[in-house]
Amino acid sequence: GAVVSQHPSRVICKSGTSVKIECRSLDFQATTMFWYRQFPKQSLMLMATSNEGSKATYEQGVEKDKFLINHASLTLSTLTVTSAHPEDSSFYICSARVGGPNEKLFFGSGTQLSVL
Amino acid sequence: EDQVTQSPEALRLQEGESSSLNCSYTVSGLRGLFWYRQDPGKGPEFLFTLYSAGEEKEKERLKATLTKKESFLHITAPKPEDSATYLCAVQGDGANNLFFGTGTRLTVIP
Repeated sequence: GAVVSQHPSRVICKSGTSVKIECRSLDFQATTMFWYRQFPKQSLMLMATSNEGSKATYEQGVEKDKFLINHASLTLSTLTVTSAHPEDSSFYICSARVGGPNEKLFFGSGTQLSVL
Repeated sequence: EDQVTQSPEALRLQEGESSSLNCSYTVSGLRGLFWYRQDPGKGPEFLFTLYSAGEEKEKERLKATLTKKESFLHITAPKPEDSATYLCAVQGDGANNLFFGTGTRLTVIP
């Protein structure tokens, strides 16, 4: 299957700092990538849809000024958590869509963010 | 509004003890129902996509089936390495993304 690489896998930062998470599609071009957030023992909640060359579409309740998404190329999307606070601590996962008649999503390995 | 309910929330099986996981869904126009496996601290790993009622797919010890209201993930003679959280998700007509259930945490005891 397609490979989605996400980096870093784990990050610990101080409150008030910004953290950037990268998501790359390694062997295919992804015009659309998705960013999810997952709290312990809960399901994946979609935060935003990242479209190459255009602004991201955010889900209701997600602050676009706090979670900055950039999708500058067909293989790279980034999520920057700005001025992080302890309540932003979570598991963030990106995914990329492989289209066509058997459309499916492939996920990155996730980033565990801990804000102290 | 799309809705996905997975049951049971957690399941413990002895090695070799077959069972089924349930995913009940409500969606306006099903484009696809997806099953993923997620290990702790990892992203979901794609297993199956089902598109229409009556469809079945198999992979090793796993078999997924679909009706108009629910999907089952049957696991036959599970092994400890099958221990993981199994996530079900649906994509409806006009939707760009998947809507996930909360998953079933499967533990297979040797």
